[in-house]
Amino acid sequence: GAVVSQHPSWVICKSGTSVKIECRSLDFQATTMFWYRQFPKQSLMLMATSNEGSKATYEQGVEKDKFLINHASLTLSTLTVTSAHPEDSSFYICSANRDKANSPLHFGNGTRLTVT
Amino acid sequence: AQTVTQSQPEMSVQEAETVTLSCTYDTSESDYYLFWYKQPPSRQMILVIRQEAYKQQNATENRFSVNFQKAAKSFSLKISDSQLGDAAMYFCAYRLGGAQKLVFGQGTRLTINP
Repeated sequence: GAVVSQHPSWVICKSGTSVKIECRSLDFQATTMFWYRQFPKQSLMLMATSNEGSKATYEQGVEKDKFLINHASLTLSTLTVTSAHPEDSSFYICSANRDKANSPLHFGNGTRLTVT
Repeated sequence: AQTVTQSQPEMSVQEAETVTLSCTYDTSESDYYLFWYKQPPSRQMILVIRQEAYKQQNATENRFSVNFQKAAKSFSLKISDSQLGDAAMYFCAYRLGGAQKLVFGQGTRLTINP
């Protein structure tokens, strides 16, 4: 079946540094991918929609300059957390689906980011 | 904006018994999809079941079934013969037809008592 790979699974970084998270669709092409954020014991909140070959669409309240999204190919989207701070510590999950209207979303395994 | 509400933060059930998780949603659209996702401690999101709004028949996947009440905007999940491996967070989700992003409910933590 369709698989979405997310890397790294976990990362620890120091305040002020930047971290890049990759999301790959392994056996299908995805013109659109989604980035979610999940705080402990809370639900998934959509951060942005990553569009292949064009700018990402950010949800209200999400800082574009803070969370840089690049979708350079049909199988890869990246999320870069710039100048990370401890409040950016969270679980980040990407998802994608085959380009069919009623296809279910497939999720990556998530990335646990800890900023010290 | 579409919203999804899960009013049960936690539920517990005895192994082999049946449990129902509640979900309501708010939308003015007629073309949409509803999903239940399971998130075990590994935090991997696993699709449990999905329902197309245009279908009147309730979806069923083995021990999992839904009660889809479109007029009431209700979408509950019934788990029969509960197993220890069913313990997880369960999220109800909505997706507008044609769009792809999901709107999630707050989640229900399900505990299975042996």
